[in-house]
Amino acid sequence: DTTVKQNPRYKLARVGKPVNLICSQTMNHDTMYWYQKKPNQAPKLLLFYYDKILNREADTFEKFQSSRPNNSFCSLYIGSAGLEYSAMYLCASSRGTGGYAEQFFGPGTRLTVL
Amino acid sequence: GDQVEQSPSALSLHEGTGSALRCNFTTTMRAVQWFRKNSRGSLINLFYLASGTKENGRLKSAFDSKERYSTLHIRDAQLEDSGTYFCAANYQGGRALIFGTGTTVSVSP
Repeated sequence: DTTVKQNPRYKLARVGKPVNLICSQTMNHDTMYWYQKKPNQAPKLLLFYYDKILNREADTFEKFQSSRPNNSFCSLYIGSAGLEYSAMYLCASSRGTGGYAEQFFGPGTRLTVL
Repeated sequence: GDQVEQSPSALSLHEGTGSALRCNFTTTMRAVQWFRKNSRGSLINLFYLASGTKENGRLKSAFDSKERYSTLHIRDAQLEDSGTYFCAANYQGGRALIFGTGTTVSVSP
């Protein structure tokens, strides 16, 4: 089973409110990723967890947090949502210590901030 | 500039024919993946290549890191092959997949 699950599929949030998105996988993958995709743009990596180590991209460092309480589960947290956070958020996972392992994607959570 | 240039943006095929999608890279990539977006919008893995070629049914993919390109060939196209295909690649030292802009394939009877 190469399924990555994401909940919820759609999320409505108010400006200034926190948002928590959830991803899970049962493939025992050591790395989990979060990408942001806006219309007419390619997905952009926000951060990834390799085992328990969080790596955040430099240009989104302060905007997103994440937690990974166990191997199967990873969340993406926005402390105070702004209109610019409206996007599709894709979770992915991969196995292997190298940087080029095959990534498997979830269906995404579409976040709309009003 | 864009590191992954995917072409064509749209491709029309008749059933039984074939064609190729191509991704050119502006820098050396270490691995490439090809995806197809399904009816629910999920990315379905088609191929993962660090080099060489792979074949699966009527699909075949090739990746040449040195020449900086990857291709996805569709042969004997069927109606169910219609959809949007994406390539994505890792550059050296990077975990992020850099995506192409996608190719919308339409197969008609």
